[in-house]
Amino acid sequence: QSVLTQPPSASGTPGQRVTISCSGSSSNIGSNTVNWYQQLPGTAPKLLIYSNNQRPSGVPDRFSGSKSGTSASLAISGLQSEDEADYYCAAWDDSLNGSWVFGGGTKLTVL
Amino acid sequence: QVQLVQSGAEVKKPGASVKVSCKASGYTFTSYYMHWVRQAPGQGLEWMGIINPSGGSTSYAQKFQGRVTMTRDTSTSTVYMELSSLRSEDTAVYYCAREASYLDILTANQVGYFDYWGQGTLVTVSS
Repeated sequence: QSVLTQPPSASGTPGQRVTISCSGSSSNIGSNTVNWYQQLPGTAPKLLIYSNNQRPSGVPDRFSGSKSGTSASLAISGLQSEDEADYYCAAWDDSLNGSWVFGGGTKLTVL
Repeated sequence: QVQLVQSGAEVKKPGASVKVSCKASGYTFTSYYMHWVRQAPGQGLEWMGIINPSGGSTSYAQKFQGRVTMTRDTSTSTVYMELSSLRSEDTAVYYCAREASYLDILTANQVGYFDYWGQGTLVTVSS
């Protein structure tokens, strides 16, 4: 059971816009920034979005992030076949001694 | 360029220990915290803990307290993660990940994220 809640799957056709949600609580998303990671099959995770809506250099502007209250979202516009991957949200959690928490991951399928 | 290169796959018996290494290059080793994250087969990501390569201080996820030890060797820019009393549920790919962080002046929030990851080390626990 992950601390952050994501839908297990999402799908879209090439060119479409898809969004992936991430729900948390006041101790994590509600009080800290959210990061998103993309994991292509058989590879290590890669930073996609940091600080809620910032893109590292090299990440296409088709990817965008937002946060409101205790929830966050990742949007992918102009969907491409190479976007088929697992996506994870993450945030620092202030409870107990503090820890990084992740969502359970969302498998994106490009139809 | 920044690189995190991890040691190779391991097969261990239940009750044994495993030590995974992560060699950093392309940046000042002591300037960035390092984390360990694991991923069981077909499952999500799980944070295990953090080490400050500068002073060696550590903080571990409650779940792994007493079983995990993270160390570093500044002479070789390498961090290590040792997990003891292995059980079948510890079968997973273990990743090291560098943390980048800064203070957002506008919000006064400390921002942190994992900007580089190692390639992963598969640890299989089986009798």
